[in-house]
Amino acid sequence: AIQMTQSPSSLSASVGDRVTITCRASQGISNDLGWYQQKPGKAPKLLIYATSILQSGVPSRFSGSGSGTDFTLTISSLQPEDFATYYCLQDYNYPRTFGQGTKVEIK
Amino acid sequence: QAQLVQSGVEVKRPGASVKVSCKASGYTFASYGISWVRQAPGQGLEWMGWISTYNTNTYYAQKFQGRVTMTTDTSTSTVYMELTSLISDDTAVYYCARDQGGVSRNFEYWGQGTLVTVSS
Repeated sequence: AIQMTQSPSSLSASVGDRVTITCRASQGISNDLGWYQQKPGKAPKLLIYATSILQSGVPSRFSGSGSGTDFTLTISSLQPEDFATYYCLQDYNYPRTFGQGTKVEIK
Repeated sequence: QAQLVQSGVEVKRPGASVKVSCKASGYTFASYGISWVRQAPGQGLEWMGWISTYNTNTYYAQKFQGRVTMTTDTSTSTVYMELTSLISDDTAVYYCARDQGGVSRNFEYWGQGTLVTVSS
């Protein structure tokens, strides 16, 4: 199974900060990577798919990049509603695998 | 608008089985596969498996092989996930999630989650 290593596991940031989260795959996954946001008590929400395509309705301050094994989620200017936990997911093959998650907290 | 509605809270004894349902609406049921993802309290997301709603082919995570069965009922547009031989570590919120389709196999729509508690 492909392992997804996500970092950092948590971070503290202020409103307006630029935030970067990374995900590394244990083998090449082309651009078959998605990013999800999860708030407490809620189901995850798809933000980005195919590494860099913004899901409909997702604010443009979210962006994704990378290919092969190294991927990045960037929030250009953190907003109060962005404080949540973020997960990457590889959809290159089965079994699907998630990263361990990154909790973004208020500084 | 696509929607997935799951069955309610379950409390089970160790060794028992649980069967969670996921009723789809708002789209052509057989056009998109469904995955099951669970989340233990305070933990991350764990993919359990996937079922094709077109031909009932399945992929299961090795961890759950032999304990999990995913099935469909096309007459009611419902997917089921049954997990047997429950242990306390199976206490989690279980989500169904629909494939996005097209170039992506990410999960565009999610159920609301079903809390399964395993306790003696």
